[in-house]
Amino acid sequence: GAGVSQTPSNKVTEKGKYVELRCDPISGHTALYWYRQSLGQGPEFLIYFQGTGAADDSGLPNDRFFAVRPEGSVSTLKIQRTERGDSAVYLCASSPWEAGVSNEQFFGPGTRLTVL
Amino acid sequence: GNSVTQMEGPVTLSEEAFLTINCTYTATGYPSLFWYVQYPGEGLQLLLKATKADDKGSNKGFEATYRKETTSFHLEKGSVQVSDSAVYFCASNTGFQKLVFGTGTRLLVSP
Repeated sequence: GAGVSQTPSNKVTEKGKYVELRCDPISGHTALYWYRQSLGQGPEFLIYFQGTGAADDSGLPNDRFFAVRPEGSVSTLKIQRTERGDSAVYLCASSPWEAGVSNEQFFGPGTRLTVL
Repeated sequence: GNSVTQMEGPVTLSEEAFLTINCTYTATGYPSLFWYVQYPGEGLQLLLKATKADDKGSNKGFEATYRKETTSFHLEKGSVQVSDSAVYFCASNTGFQKLVFGTGTRLLVSP
């Protein structure tokens, strides 16, 4: 069974450019999460989807960050006008959903974004 | 808001030594608590979890007990192996959804 996959594994871009990061969750998982992990830090929550809708986007740092999940499966994290401070590893996780239960989140390998 | 604090590393041990990695949390309500592990070159994996006070999570010889009175979830293993070398993250779960992570503790085990 395939786990969570993320593409690309590495992305190098220039300041001011637009980037898209893709996440393929485990089949059947309705919940999908994005986190950002800076060097030497733990992952920080960005956004959470339940199905196609963003149930909690309180972690997005500003309006340059946006994420979609149009068909309730694959998700894309989009970053406009990238800044050097956006450099980090972007992690995606998915989980099955059962109300009132702490469902295990399964993490992908991450996309390492470097903004020059 | 909720937060998790864990001991800084690296923690350097010889094989078969006893391991403790401290973790404390602050939270409104009653979060679930987790330990995740990141082996070199791999993604985050759930190691163990506990969902309510006095629960003990265990896996692969690791244990952690949810202590509400001390707001702690310390990770322990009686005899570490070289293969346990990794970064360990303590995390809490708010509203059954997003995870709040500590900064991670690197464990280095030498033969």
